[in-house]
Amino acid sequence: GESVGLHLPTLSVQEGDNSIINCAYSNSASDYFIWYKQESGKGPQFIIDIRSNMDKRQGQRVTVLLNKTVKHLSLQIAATQPGDSAVYFCAEEVTGGFKTIFGAGTRLFVKA
Amino acid sequence: GAVVSQHPSRVICKSGTSVKIECRSLDFQATTMFWYRQFPKKSLMLMATSNEGSKATYEQGVEKDKFLINHASLTLSTLTVTSAHPEDSSFYICSAAGRTGIKTQYFGPGTRLLVL
Repeated sequence: GESVGLHLPTLSVQEGDNSIINCAYSNSASDYFIWYKQESGKGPQFIIDIRSNMDKRQGQRVTVLLNKTVKHLSLQIAATQPGDSAVYFCAEEVTGGFKTIFGAGTRLFVKA
Repeated sequence: GAVVSQHPSRVICKSGTSVKIECRSLDFQATTMFWYRQFPKKSLMLMATSNEGSKATYEQGVEKDKFLINHASLTLSTLTVTSAHPEDSSFYICSAAGRTGIKTQYFGPGTRLLVL
C-alpha cells in the first residue's frame, strides 16, 4: 500500500551545521511532496514543497531534493539554529486521491 | 498566509460525554477541511475529509458514528467525539484547503483531548 517513511527517527546536530532529513516513499504515482515542521503541542507548519517534475527546490535556508528513481526525498537545512528543533514530516499527495499521506516524522535536536 | 484556528486548544472530559472541536478558516473560504489524529510521538493520521455542504468521507477504520463531522459553512467545520472514552484521548488537528485545491493546505494549532 501507500506509505511514506523516514530513515532516521531522531537527528542531533550542532548549531550552525547543516541538517539533512531523509524520507522514502513507495507510491510512484505521487506527484507532489511537502515538508512540514511541527513544534511540540502545535499543528504542522509548511516548510517547502516540490512537484514531481522537479528534482530540487530551494527556499530560505532549506532545500528539498527529490529522487524519483529511488523514491527518496530529503530536506536540507543550512546553518541549523536552535529554533529549528522540532519534528519534521514529509508528506505526499496521492494522485487523484485528494488527500495527503504523512510520513513517520524525524525529531531534530539542535545542540547549542 | 492563511490562518486556521481550532477551539478549544485543550479539553478534559469525563468518559461517556461528547466533545465538540471547532475548526475555522479565518481569512479564506475553505472548500475542504481535513481532520487528523495524532498520538504522542507519532505521525498524523487522516480521519476524514469534509467538503462544505456534503457528508464527510471517512478513512478506513474510523467510525463515522463516533466521530461526527459537520462542515456547514465555508469557514467552519466541527468534529464531535461522541461518548468519549480514554482511548479517544489524542491530539486532533484540522487543516483547511481553499479553492486552489489541497496542494495549499493550512493546519490549525490542534486540540488536545484528555478523556478521564
